[in-house]
Amino acid sequence: DGGITQSPKYLFRKEGQNVTLSCEQNLNHDAMYWYRQDPGQGLRLIYYSQIVNDFQKGDIAEGYSVSREKKESFPLTVTSAQKNPTAFYLCASGQGRTGELFFGEGSRLTVL
Amino acid sequence: AQSVTQLGSHVSVSEGALVLLRCNYSSSVPPYLFWYVQYPNQGLQLLLKYTSAATLVKGINGFEAEFKKSETSFHLTKPSAHMSDAAEYFCAVSDKGYSSASKIIFGSGTRLSIRP
Repeated sequence: DGGITQSPKYLFRKEGQNVTLSCEQNLNHDAMYWYRQDPGQGLRLIYYSQIVNDFQKGDIAEGYSVSREKKESFPLTVTSAQKNPTAFYLCASGQGRTGELFFGEGSRLTVL
Repeated sequence: AQSVTQLGSHVSVSEGALVLLRCNYSSSVPPYLFWYVQYPNQGLQLLLKYTSAATLVKGINGFEAEFKKSETSFHLTKPSAHMSDAAEYFCAVSDKGYSSASKIIFGSGTRLSIRP
């Protein structure tokens, strides 16, 4: 079935370690997105990519990095520079000007 | 720049009662508007979307929303709440300035609780 796969679903890391979250889609969408979700704050855009080998910073890009080497994949690295990395991370993809997004199941990162 | 405001972080209604979740938007261009639903520890699922066609939009699970330009609102309603409607609901607006993708801005969310 077509969809978006995020892994891992749960991740625990020590403070100061870099962490990479995987996001893969088989919907043939051009655009992919990473959002961070914290209680009471809704979804905040970290990075988005409209096409392979191109991406733009969202509203809270500091301390994060991404790559878009393949259309299907948009991994997110949470670096040690991110001051408060514990959160629920959501990946999404979309196509066309209607802007409808399709979401993965999310990855919950806890930094100890 | 586009923005979305959801009034009320938590709404509680009785089973069978009307559900009304409020959303106001700000946009410099005619917007695309969306409502998404999120169940615990899951991703978001599209409920419905407005893309400048009919102002009354019907979605899944009996939900609908009305686009009111004069009030810059896009409130979500359901005539009769069901226990399975308990979830978090997000209103979103799309920046239509891109040719192949859109920057989607989400509201802070409204948690809907249903009382038996």
